Amino acid sequence: AQTVTQSQPEMSVQEAETVTLSCTYDTSESNYYLFWYKQPPSRQMILVIRQEAYKQQNATENRFSVNFQKAAKSFSLKISDSQLGDTAMYFCAFMKLSHYSGGGADGLTFGKGTHLIIQP
Amino acid sequence: EPEVTQTPSHQVTQMGQEVILRCVPISNHLYFYWYRQILGQKVEFLVSFYNNEISEKSEIFDDQFSVERPDGSNFTLKIRSTKLEDSAMYFCASRFSTGTEEYFGPGTRLTVL
Repeated sequence: AQTVTQSQPEMSVQEAETVTLSCTYDTSESNYYLFWYKQPPSRQMILVIRQEAYKQQNATENRFSVNFQKAAKSFSLKISDSQLGDTAMYFCAFMKLSHYSGGGADGLTFGKGTHLIIQP
Repeated sequence: EPEVTQTPSHQVTQMGQEVILRCVPISNHLYFYWYRQILGQKVEFLVSFYNNEISEKSEIFDDQFSVERPDGSNFTLKIRSTKLEDSAMYFCASRFSTGTEEYFGPGTRLTVL
């Protein structure tokens, strides 16, 4: 079974600063995906960014980027030019590629989350 | 943009009662999921559903839980006899295919009294 660890329960930074959220995972799988989801106070789960394990290039989505270190099983999220609207819980998630039904049937394994607060 | 919808947004029930939580996944998606999140805790996988059958379930998904896709659009989670510890936010999610993102619904908050 997989485990996902987020060691920072809460972080607080000033608006416009850069912040990095850490995530490590443990798995014996070689094919998998990693995700960061954002959960604002509304509790809606919103995908921020995803990374395919077979890709060496780090994923980037506008102000959000990841540092994926496969050997170290590390998957950190960097938020540049942070904004007040970035205040939320951030969850790191793992999905293995199942051989069942062509893959994709497995659910996500989440970390416990990091509560990010952006201060004005 | 297509979205996953869930009803009701909030359900209050008495311990021992049956509840059905409803979800309408995105129409061309093939994989369906239920997750739960107890307040202040992480999101936990319950069950995945593909090709009209359960493909994976967690230890949480015991005999009190069942899922169904009664028609081409709805995906339901039934809890037969609710317990106090079933109080949580329940999220439905769907995915089109391998490796694509899971789209989450807004959740149903279940309160068991």
